[in-house]
Amino acid sequence: DTGVSQNPRHKITKRGQNVTFRCDPISEHNRLYWYRQTLGQGPEFLTYFQNEAQLEKSRLLSDRFSAERPKGSFSTLEIQRTEQGDSAMYLCASSLGVRGEKLFFGSGTQLSVL
Amino acid sequence: GNSVTQMEGPVTLSEEAFLTINCTYTATGYPSLFWYVQYPGEGLQLLLKATKADDKGSNKGFEATYRKETTSFHLEKGSVQVSDSAVYFCALSEGSGGGADGLTFGKGTHLIIQP
Repeated sequence: DTGVSQNPRHKITKRGQNVTFRCDPISEHNRLYWYRQTLGQGPEFLTYFQNEAQLEKSRLLSDRFSAERPKGSFSTLEIQRTEQGDSAMYLCASSLGVRGEKLFFGSGTQLSVL
Repeated sequence: GNSVTQMEGPVTLSEEAFLTINCTYTATGYPSLFWYVQYPGEGLQLLLKATKADDKGSNKGFEATYRKETTSFHLEKGSVQVSDSAVYFCALSEGSGGGADGLTFGKGTHLIIQP
């Protein structure tokens, strides 16, 4: 297993368009997280899944954002009606879910909204 | 809520210099503490961690000690190398707020090592 995989690496879109990102976690990991990182800031938590169940969502996750993990494996993050303020690096991470265990991060999807 | 504060960068040092990057945290319970590193063009990766007070995490010559009395987790290295140039993030995990075992990050410190 080569780690957490995210696609695409880069996405450029026009304001108002919808975009979808995909994350493939490490196969035996039951927890999957989405974070957002803007320039000069640390990653900010968006949401996380335990298997297929979405257990927590940050207040940063507006109604335009939706995340799914339909079979408890890969996950998608969709942003509808994108705004320029959505431009950021979207990071996915996975873990086994043991307290204090490290998260394994993907390389991220860089979104630019023009 | 939980928060992490770390020294702002960039921090510029000469090779073989001693490094300290300060990190302090605010948490309601007993968090686990982490340092993550992001090398240019790469994803975040764990550098070291400590899960309870007085624990010392260490890796690749870096060390950090979990100090509950000062709510700190400062990162140190005795002799830095050019290859240590990266952005370093202090983070905590408490099982709430950022998702169970999710992370609350500081803003990151950009470290530049000059030969």
